[in-house]
Amino acid sequence: DQQVKQNSPSLSVQEGRISILNCDYTNSMFDYFLWYKKYPAEGPTFLISISSIKDKNEDGRFTVFLNKSAKHLSLHIVPSQPGDSAVYFCAASGTSGTYKYIFGTGTRLKVLA
Amino acid sequence: KAGVTQTPRYLIKTRGQQVTLSCSPISGHRSVSWYQQTPGQGLQFLFEYFSETQRNKGNFPGRFSGRQFSNSRSEMNVSTLELGDSALYLCASGQGVSYNEQFFGPGTRLTVL
Repeated sequence: DQQVKQNSPSLSVQEGRISILNCDYTNSMFDYFLWYKKYPAEGPTFLISISSIKDKNEDGRFTVFLNKSAKHLSLHIVPSQPGDSAVYFCAASGTSGTYKYIFGTGTRLKVLA
Repeated sequence: KAGVTQTPRYLIKTRGQQVTLSCSPISGHRSVSWYQQTPGQGLQFLFEYFSETQRNKGNFPGRFSGRQFSNSRSEMNVSTLELGDSALYLCASGQGVSYNEQFFGPGTRLTVL
């Protein structure tokens, strides 16, 4: 049972445009969400997070939006740069403070120069 | 501050053998989590250790086990290896007492022949 889903395995975007990566979850007990970026042969690197008490969190070019009623979150990257080309994972945690993170299957973003 | 280190980086084993992977967390971090990454499956949570105790466990068979030492270093053991165990095994460390991001190591690439 995949509790965190990233339905788009890949996405291509032109440099300078907006990249939107989507993530859906099924467990309403999740209350903390994170996005990670992963380059080949490296471990994932933390990008940005959001608590369920917020609906938006911004950090430079990266913004995460959370729609709790739809159980959906998205990561916006503006403007996209070729160095953003990587696999992006969303992750969720919650359920009484277990600090167990459930990851999605990832979306491969390719930013075209 | 040194990052999360994992040893070895690459490993080749044959079916039926066992393997031990090691993870040294960031200094001061008491939580260590292990994940298995395979193509198309994202990061599958194996288990999490906090202060030498297994605090969370994923849905993996008993062939997968782990432990954490008093210095927070952790080991993961897989016995009776199967071909399907070939994967990238990632270790992540965190403070483990509130919702913080986890910091990942580069992973150990295990190939089972």
